[in-house]
Amino acid sequence: EAQVTQNPRYLITVTGKKLTVTCSQNMNHEYMSWYRQDPGLGLRQIYYSMNVEVTDKGDVPEGYKVSRKEKRNFPLILESPSPNQTSLYFCASSPRPANTEAFFGQGTRLTVV
Amino acid sequence: QQQVKQSPQSLIVQKGGISIINCAYENTAFDYFPWYQQFPGKGPALLIAIRPDVSEKKEGRFTISFNKSAKQFSLHIMDSQPGDSATYFCAAKGNDKIIFGKGTRLHILP
Repeated sequence: EAQVTQNPRYLITVTGKKLTVTCSQNMNHEYMSWYRQDPGLGLRQIYYSMNVEVTDKGDVPEGYKVSRKEKRNFPLILESPSPNQTSLYFCASSPRPANTEAFFGQGTRLTVV
Repeated sequence: QQQVKQSPQSLIVQKGGISIINCAYENTAFDYFPWYQQFPGKGPALLIAIRPDVSEKKEGRFTISFNKSAKQFSLHIMDSQPGDSATYFCAAKGNDKIIFGKGTRLHILP
């Protein structure tokens, strides 16, 4: 089954404790991205990757890191989480060219206390 | 120039009625306009999409109307059903960038 898998689905952590949210896709897509969803603000892009070893900042990259060492994986790293990073996070992938359907993961609800 | 403005923020429609959600964009480089549907606890999923070379696209009860000169597009849901209750996002894509609207929470009354 074609899918984007995120883990964990739910995470509660404390301020400053490094965490990683994993994302994996099995569709051989070149393009992957991370979004955060907040009430009233919709989906905002954090980082995206056009291909292996190629990443770029989205609209809200501060406080986040990503890596793309393999085509299928695109982890999101929070080196020192803060309460304002409490949000619902989605990973997405799509084939190139980028003007095609994006497939989203199920989401990761992160709470930073 | 990168914004996609979506309205209304929330919408309540009687079962069987027509639901209409509107979006406007500014960047003429956008060349793909998808609508995503999101149910609680799920990620967004593509519902219907249109390219700017057509003015309308219909798939079942869902229709996109596209006005290139006004830089506006809208989603119409005919014969709205309680199962259509969800959050809807419009988006605009181009030059490897996608910009989402802020979403519309639709509730269909039974």
